[in-house]
Amino acid sequence: SQQGEEDPQALSIQEGENATMNCSYKTSINNLQWYRQNSGRGLVHLILIRSNEREKHSGRLRVTLDTSKKSSSLLITASRAADTASYFCAPVGGGGADGLTFGKGTHLIIQP
Amino acid sequence: ETGVTQTPRHLVMGMTNKKSLKCEQHLGHNAMYWYKQSAKKPLELMFVYSLEERVENNSVPSRFSPECPNSSHLFLHLHTLQPEDSALYLCASSQVGGRANYGYTFGSGTRLTVV
Repeated sequence: SQQGEEDPQALSIQEGENATMNCSYKTSINNLQWYRQNSGRGLVHLILIRSNEREKHSGRLRVTLDTSKKSSSLLITASRAADTASYFCAPVGGGGADGLTFGKGTHLIIQP
Repeated sequence: ETGVTQTPRHLVMGMTNKKSLKCEQHLGHNAMYWYKQSAKKPLELMFVYSLEERVENNSVPSRFSPECPNSSHLFLHLHTLQPEDSALYLCASSQVGGRANYGYTFGSGTRLTVV
């Protein structure tokens, strides 16, 4: 699988504000996945959006996908201190059996 | 617990030791993975087992040796490691095949320190 590139690399906002992070990729995909990693822990799968979907919601998370621009965004609304973590996107082509590749991620800090 | 269990959680080993990391998944998935996460670096995919067959990764040094005895268990055997091998080692599993795959489930990792 190809590696996505997250932007910005770091983001610091006040609790209660919305956080938006972006992901760009290079070649066509089957789906794109977003993951969260708290410091020193394993990654947690947040949401998967398929190539024929444009927007998907899960609780306070909203993901968009623009295949023409080869980009995706993750919006976290009404942020909480517990949202402090690193966020990674993983674009997936084919059957995804060759392993996900991760970039540097976006490190999100929620200030109390 | 995520359904993927890694043991031990922490491991300190000397450069001449031999140790093994263990991963077990209780999700019925058919693929398992080893990742390495060093400080300030992106996750590195080390090994992939899909349907119990290993996908070769020639960039991983031979001092790391994976073993997948069945679809639920994955081991990473370590020998004569270097201090730069100190990292968080993460195991993951997923269900692959069909028209689209699904998300990965990660374990909590083994924090390895080589002294």
